[in-house]
Amino acid sequence: DTGVSQDPRHKITKRGQNVTFRCDPISEHNRLYWYRQTLGQGPEFLTYFQNEAQLEKSRLLSDRFSAERPKGSFSTLEIQRTEQGDSAMYLCASGVGYEQYFGPGTRLTVT
Amino acid sequence: AQRVTQPEKLLSVFKGAPVELKCNYSYSGSPELFWYVQYSRQRLQLLLRHISRESIKGFTADLNKGETSFHLKKPFAQEEDSAMYYCALHPGAGSYQLTFGKGTKLSVIP
Repeated sequence: DTGVSQDPRHKITKRGQNVTFRCDPISEHNRLYWYRQTLGQGPEFLTYFQNEAQLEKSRLLSDRFSAERPKGSFSTLEIQRTEQGDSAMYLCASGVGYEQYFGPGTRLTVT
Repeated sequence: AQRVTQPEKLLSVFKGAPVELKCNYSYSGSPELFWYVQYSRQRLQLLLRHISRESIKGFTADLNKGETSFHLKKPFAQEEDSAMYYCALHPGAGSYQLTFGKGTKLSVIP
């Protein structure tokens, strides 16, 4: 196991299009998190899964954002009707207890 | 709501000099504090957790509840310490999110 993986690593899309990102956590981790990071800022929490249950969502997560973790393994984050303000690095993390281990991120550019 | 403040965006020190990266937090409960590091072109990785009281790569950090601080220290900076450092707070039971500071870029001058 080489750690948390994310796909794609880069995504360029036009405003108004839908995009979906995938995260594969470390296999024995039941906790999975999504964060967003913009230039000059630290990561900002978006949502949290314990196994397949989505237990916490940030107010940052507008109704255009949806996340799933259907079998308690990989997770997807979908953004509908993308806006230029959605351009950011989207980070996935997994963990046990309070420690979180991050993936390399997906960089989204909305043109 | 919790908040983490890292007052310095950039810190430059000479190799061999002591390093202190500042982190202050606001939270009414008993949080857990972490330091994460991101080296150039690498992913964010956990450096220290206050509860473990370890020294990792020569770095230490002590939680000062009176001053609500969790400063990261190293007595002698090395060039390979150049990276982006983020302080993060976990509020403990009842929430699962980490709240990060904006980060401090450490540059060690040879």
